[in-house]
Amino acid sequence: QKEVEQNSGPLSVPEGAIASLNCTYSDRGSQSFFWYRQYSGKSPELIMFIYSNGDKEDGRFTAQLNKASQYVSLLIRDSQPSDSATYLCAVKGGSQGNLIFGKGTKLSVKP
Amino acid sequence: ETGVTQTPRHLVMGMTNKKSLKCEQHLGHNAMYWYKQSAKKPLELMFVYNFKEQTENNSVPSRFSPECPNSSHLFLHLHTLQPEDSALYLCASSQEQRDYNEQFFGPGTRLTVL
Repeated sequence: QKEVEQNSGPLSVPEGAIASLNCTYSDRGSQSFFWYRQYSGKSPELIMFIYSNGDKEDGRFTAQLNKASQYVSLLIRDSQPSDSATYLCAVKGGSQGNLIFGKGTKLSVKP
Repeated sequence: ETGVTQTPRHLVMGMTNKKSLKCEQHLGHNAMYWYKQSAKKPLELMFVYNFKEQTENNSVPSRFSPECPNSSHLFLHLHTLQPEDSALYLCASSQEQRDYNEQFFGPGTRLTVL
């Protein structure tokens, strides 16, 4: 059973701080990794994807991938109240390349 | 309209009813997906269609029946559902069913089964 694990939270950080969201996955053959943001009552929207080991930066967001440790993380710098949402980690791989999602981490950024 | 649309946005049905969910994508994609999102559980993949062919049925009960008449439209036909089927049903699309293709989600249909 391929699994993606995330701490459900809630993770609470003050405005302006760095929020760190973590995800581990069980399928060592996974090839690509995605972070989706889901506001309450809304559908998921893609914010970052990463395929190679190391860091990938996009504005205030940095995705980090360590395939040897089967670990992917998302850092949000200068967190804003508008970043308050549930962040879903998704891993793609296998013969069909389907997405497997974690349960999500709820982030709350306090003004 | 752009992106992925779903209708209806909300649906309440009895266990003996038959209803259908509709999804339409305006992105020129070739793969479409149905997901179920329940409280406290991860998004669960239900069905995948790639170039109108069903490529994945993730052990979904037969009371859920998908239909993909063309690459832009996807339906989920519902009959004799159970209360535990109440959830948010999300449609998504991607260029193809491959590792590196981003999936775009529709707004979802909130289903309540009485």
